[in-house]
Amino acid sequence: DAKTTQPTSMDCAEGRAANLPCNHSTISGNEYVYWYRQIHSQGPQYIIHGLKNNETNEMASLIITEDRKSSTLILPHATLRDTAVYYCIVRVDEYGNKLVFGAGTILRVKS
Amino acid sequence: GAVVSQHPSRVICKSGTSVKIECRSLDFQATTMFWYRQFPKQSLMLMATSNEGSKATYEQGVEKDKFLINHASLTLSTLTVTSAHPEDSSFYICSAPGPQGGNQPQHFGDGTRLSIL
Repeated sequence: DAKTTQPTSMDCAEGRAANLPCNHSTISGNEYVYWYRQIHSQGPQYIIHGLKNNETNEMASLIITEDRKSSTLILPHATLRDTAVYYCIVRVDEYGNKLVFGAGTILRVKS
Repeated sequence: GAVVSQHPSRVICKSGTSVKIECRSLDFQATTMFWYRQFPKQSLMLMATSNEGSKATYEQGVEKDKFLINHASLTLSTLTVTSAHPEDSSFYICSAPGPQGGNQPQHFGDGTRLSIL
C-alpha cells in the first residue's frame, strides 16, 4: 500500500473549518483514500473514504486532487470534541486487506 | 451500524500472568479481524491478521508464541498475551472489516489497556 505524508500537528479555532492535508504521491489506481481519527484512549473511528471523486458525509468532506496525489479532509465547523489524531491511509479495496497507520496529524481545536 | 466489542477494557495483572482479550463483531460476521497495539504517543502498530478457521498471519517482528491468536468463530477473535511482562503493557485494539466487505471501512473496538506490574 502507498505511503502517506501528513503534518505532525495543526491548530484550529472552534467553529472554523479544519482542513487536514495528506500527500500520497505514489498512490496506485486501485487504492482508496481513507480517513480515520482517534480520540485519546479510544479505538480509531472511521470518517470518510473515496477513490477519485470528492465525497461528503455527515462528519466531513474529502477533496481528492485530480491527479490523486493528495487529498484534504475538511471538518466544516470544528468543535472541541474534534480534537484527535487524524490518520490518512491509502489501501487497495479488498475484503480483509489490512490498514497500516502512519503517524497522523494531531488536530487541536481551541476555543 | 456495525459494532466491534472488545473486552476487557482495562486489565492490570502481575508479571508472568497470561491475559486474554476478546474481540467480537456484534451484528455481523467477520472472517478476518486485525490486532494492533499502541504505545503512548505512538501510532497503531499492526500485530497480526486473525483468520477464522486458520492460523493467524503475524507481522514481522511479532512473536507468535507470545501473542496467541484464536479466531474460533465468525464473530470472535481472541488475543492471549502469554507470560506477560511490564514491556507488554500497552493499548491493544482490534478491528474487523465491515459486513459488506470490500469497499467498506473497518470498525474498531474501544481497545484494551493492559498494565503489567
